[in-house]
Amino acid sequence: NAGVTQTPKFQVLKTGQSMTLQCAQDMNHEYMSWYRQDPGMGLRLIHYSVGAGITDQGEVPNGYNVSRSTTEDFPLRLLSAAPSQTSVYFCASSYSTSGESYNEQFFGPGTRLTVL
Amino acid sequence: LAKTTQPISMDSYEGQEVNITCSHNNIATNDYITWYQQFPSQGPRFIIQGYKTKVTNEVASLFIPADRKSSTLSLPRVSLSDTAVYYCLVGPHSGTGGFKTIFGAGTRLFVKA
Repeated sequence: NAGVTQTPKFQVLKTGQSMTLQCAQDMNHEYMSWYRQDPGMGLRLIHYSVGAGITDQGEVPNGYNVSRSTTEDFPLRLLSAAPSQTSVYFCASSYSTSGESYNEQFFGPGTRLTVL
Repeated sequence: LAKTTQPISMDSYEGQEVNITCSHNNIATNDYITWYQQFPSQGPRFIIQGYKTKVTNEVASLFIPADRKSSTLSLPRVSLSDTAVYYCLVGPHSGTGGFKTIFGAGTRLFVKA
């Protein structure tokens, strides 16, 4: 298993540009999420999904869109990049063994985004 | 979601036991306590999870008192490679309500030779 993969690893955008950060997992996990981590800070939840076709907002959703058409993929779209979105973005996945509780999250390697 | 409070940083020496305490006064009945470790330029990695009393795995122990308002991550005999940021998370495990988790600033552990 490759686990959670993210592309690209690095990206530089100009203000106003749009782009999609890709995230894929091959563990058949129903739960996936996106976080951003600013320098010296903890992770903040952007959006999450509990299954294909189901997404919801996290702590800092403004400026980002997500969709979940398949179990494996959970892309994050930046609609109009702003310098405040300069950050490291992590994707994570998790699974439920009982249908009621989720276990630990598995994180990808991250995408470093710089918006000029 | 329950807010957590951890020390900002801790120093230790190789071979010592390190205990990092997390305060979560507003923990809810269905909340679990989870600890993650993060190295620079990497995503967090799961260490341990518990609900009450004591949980132990091959890398750490988690102590949770009866009132569950705090928890302590114990790392036995740390080495230089344990230098990292450690996050305490408290949150519900709900299949329908989502799995929102909040990472605080974490505790920066620096292990010295």
